[in-house]
Amino acid sequence: GQQLNQSPQSMFIQEGEDVSMNCTSSSIFNTWLWYKQDPGEGPVLLIALYKAGELTSNGRLTAQFGITRKDSFLNISASIPSDVGIYFCAGRGAQKLVFGQGTRLTINP
Amino acid sequence: SQTIHQWPATLVQPVGSPLSLECTVEGTSNPNLYWYRQAAGRGLQLLFYSVGIGQISSEVPQNLSASRPQDRQFILSSKKLLLSDSGFYLCAYSPPGYTFGSGTRLTVV
Repeated sequence: GQQLNQSPQSMFIQEGEDVSMNCTSSSIFNTWLWYKQDPGEGPVLLIALYKAGELTSNGRLTAQFGITRKDSFLNISASIPSDVGIYFCAGRGAQKLVFGQGTRLTINP
Repeated sequence: SQTIHQWPATLVQPVGSPLSLECTVEGTSNPNLYWYRQAAGRGLQLLFYSVGIGQISSEVPQNLSASRPQDRQFILSSKKLLLSDSGFYLCAYSPPGYTFGSGTRLTVV
């Protein structure tokens, strides 16, 4: 089946640093989504990408849909304590989403 | 506006007992509905999805079953729980986008 490789698995950074994470796939997706999950909660959509090459920002977050449609990255600029959590990429094929394994972000104040 | 409700938030059940988790969606018609399981704060595994009443697709062989008795109701069930059924269960719907409920933490003891 389809699989997404998300990296890094975890990040430990200082407050104010920039963050970058990415996902790659062996399959082509028509949509890439990035979610954030806080402990004990469901994932919340951060950014949705619908076109190859698309670059979209949401505040301090920027994400891009790779030109090959097999990869995407998420950048967070000037991290703050509330950015802590697990970030998931997801690729949409047909009616289903395929998720990466997540990147756990920890921020030292 | 569209909302998704999932309950209960937490559940502790003995091995061999039955299970019923319910998910309902409001403010939309004929949504696609999904059940995911998440182990240890990592990736999300798709268990079932449904594109209409009575239509259930199973993604992985397991001890669980799903039903969709009404357009906006999705139920996850088991006749006899196993220890390995413990985890965080998430319901989701689409379109538009792909939105998750707040999850049910199931502990089988």
